[in-house]
Amino acid sequence: DGGITQSPKYLFRKEGQNVTLSCEQNLNHDAMYWYRQDPGQGLRLIYYSQIVNDFQKGDIAEGYSVSREKKESFPLTVTSAQKNPTAFYLCASSLRQGALSDTQYFGPGTRLTVL
Amino acid sequence: KQEVTQIPAALSVPEGENLVLNCSFTDSAIYNLQWFRQDPGKGLTSLLLIQSSQREQTSGRLNASLDKSSGRSTLYIAASQPGDSATYLCAVKGNNRLAFGKGNQVVVIP
Repeated sequence: DGGITQSPKYLFRKEGQNVTLSCEQNLNHDAMYWYRQDPGQGLRLIYYSQIVNDFQKGDIAEGYSVSREKKESFPLTVTSAQKNPTAFYLCASSLRQGALSDTQYFGPGTRLTVL
Repeated sequence: KQEVTQIPAALSVPEGENLVLNCSFTDSAIYNLQWFRQDPGKGLTSLLLIQSSQREQTSGRLNASLDKSSGRSTLYIAASQPGDSATYLCAVKGNNRLAFGKGNQVVVIP
């Protein structure tokens, strides 16, 4: 089965801790993305990567970090510098970032709660 | 900065009625527009993608139109079913990223 997996589904973090959210895809896509979704708001882009070993900041990158060491994997670390990290986090991928008909495919999401 | 608005935010319709969901955007310089479906607590599922040079796309009971000059898209769902209950998100691609609306939350009443 081709697709995007995210783990864990639910994650609880104490204040001051860093946590890492996993995102893996077996679609052979070049581009990967991380979004944050808050109640009553649209999705907001945190980071994106067009190719291995390269990534760019999105609209709300402060307090987050990413890596792209393998094509299949794009983990997101929520650091203690992120002041309001409780949210639903969605990972997505697409075949090529600049293509006109480039559809983004989404994972099932990780719900992060700060205790 | 691209702003995407979806109206209404929430609506309920009886089963069998046609659904009409509206999306507007402020910058007409777009590459494409996508409609997604999201069930509660789940990820997004792509429904339709309309390239900037196209006027509409159809898939089964779904039809989406695009009027780039006026900054509008409409998603039509024919003969709605209870299984169509979900949140529908519009996203516009420009400048290497998608800009999302807040969604239309739809309830189809049996």
